[in-house]
Amino acid sequence: RKEVEQDPGPFNVPEGATVAFNCTYSNSASQSFFWYRQDCRKEPKLLMSVYSSGNEDGRFTAQLNRASQYISLLIRDSKLSDSATYLCVVNRGVTGGGNKLTFGTGTQLKVEL
Amino acid sequence: AAGVIQSPRHLIKEKRETATLKCYPIPRHDTVYWYQQGPGQDPQFLISFYEKMQSDKGSIPDRFSAQQFSDYHSELNMSSLELGDSALYFCASSLGQGGETQYFGPGTRLLVL
Repeated sequence: RKEVEQDPGPFNVPEGATVAFNCTYSNSASQSFFWYRQDCRKEPKLLMSVYSSGNEDGRFTAQLNRASQYISLLIRDSKLSDSATYLCVVNRGVTGGGNKLTFGTGTQLKVEL
Repeated sequence: AAGVIQSPRHLIKEKRETATLKCYPIPRHDTVYWYQQGPGQDPQFLISFYEKMQSDKGSIPDRFSAQQFSDYHSELNMSSLELGDSALYFCASSLGQGGETQYFGPGTRLLVL
């Protein structure tokens, strides 16, 4: 079982739709949480960090539930340019076993006209 | 803003050859990470350096070695290349190693024939 699990999709949605991605992680020592976006054959780019209090950045809202070890990403009013693979990422931190990112397999989003 | 620089961007090698990948972190960043992303896979952590010392080690083969130099750039040396080494190799950098955001370079695409 992977340390970070995501539904691989693809999610095919019409422009303007709201779409939600979920992610679970197995290591309770994880300390930092992120959503990265990766376009085909490009580098992962930070979309947003995820905090227990929840955080919002424009059309994007991220939530973290440490008790359930569950992370979510909500995209409202989807744009064609949102089409990409969304990677759920956790970091155990130096005290938790190493400051390295552990990636989920990614969820592919395709926004269509 | 300056980003992480990687060179070369593309590399073609034959089996059993050697390759050296270079990474120049964002200015003032002191921590460098190497990740390998195989076709259709999520990025896997290889190794990281903080202040020129190895700070963490992941699934890096013994045939690979890496170091961080006094100017904080890093090199990943790969010997006795195998077909399975064909992948995208990303370098990321951060300021500190306490779970800070990691910023990725554009990657080096290595093809082993």
